[in-house]
Amino acid sequence: DVVMTQSALSLPVILGQPASISCRSSQSLVHSDGNTYLDWFHQRPGQSPRRLIYKISNRDSGVPDRFSGSGSGTDFTLKISRVEAEDVGVYYCMQGTHWPPTFGGGTKVEIK
Amino acid sequence: EVQLVESGGDTVKPGGSLRLSCAASGFTFSSYAMHWVRQAPGKGLEWVSSISRTSDYIYYADSVKGRFTISRDNAKNSLSLQMNSLRAEDTAVYFCAREALSGYTNDYWGQGTLVTISS
Repeated sequence: DVVMTQSALSLPVILGQPASISCRSSQSLVHSDGNTYLDWFHQRPGQSPRRLIYKISNRDSGVPDRFSGSGSGTDFTLKISRVEAEDVGVYYCMQGTHWPPTFGGGTKVEIK
Repeated sequence: EVQLVESGGDTVKPGGSLRLSCAASGFTFSSYAMHWVRQAPGKGLEWVSSISRTSDYIYYADSVKGRFTISRDNAKNSLSLQMNSLRAEDTAVYFCAREALSGYTNDYWGQGTLVTISS
């Protein structure tokens, strides 16, 4: 199985400041169809995950434009341009290119 | 509005069985593959099982293969997970999730149902 590694377990951030979360895969996530199926999810305490980003950089409907995704191959990043209080929680990356789908261990964003 | 509502979670003894359900609404259920994903207390997300639109293709994680059975009823807009020979390590919140039409990603998730395996 593809191993997804989020090196930071916790990320203390200051309100209004940028934040960056990284995710690395054990093999390239480029699919034979040319797409890279790398998603980012946000999970608040007691809630289910909500998809923010799909295929590296596409924001889901209703996701604020302060969230952006980037990367390629095996290295990916989720950036929050200016952190707001509602952004706290755990962020997970997920790959869907290789079967079975696998998730990163999560990065917990908390306000400093 | 897409809604996925899980039910059936409970506390059972090791070796016991449980059946989870997921009621879908707000979209054409029969057009989408569906998944179960679980999350042990305080832990990350683990894919459990998937079923194609017409149940032709079914997959399981190695950790549950031979013990869990996924099924769906498109007439009732319902997804199920029959869980047998339950173990302590199956303790988790179980989420049903819709696979996007484009495939390879889950775009909507239910709120989850808690399964606790304890003697």
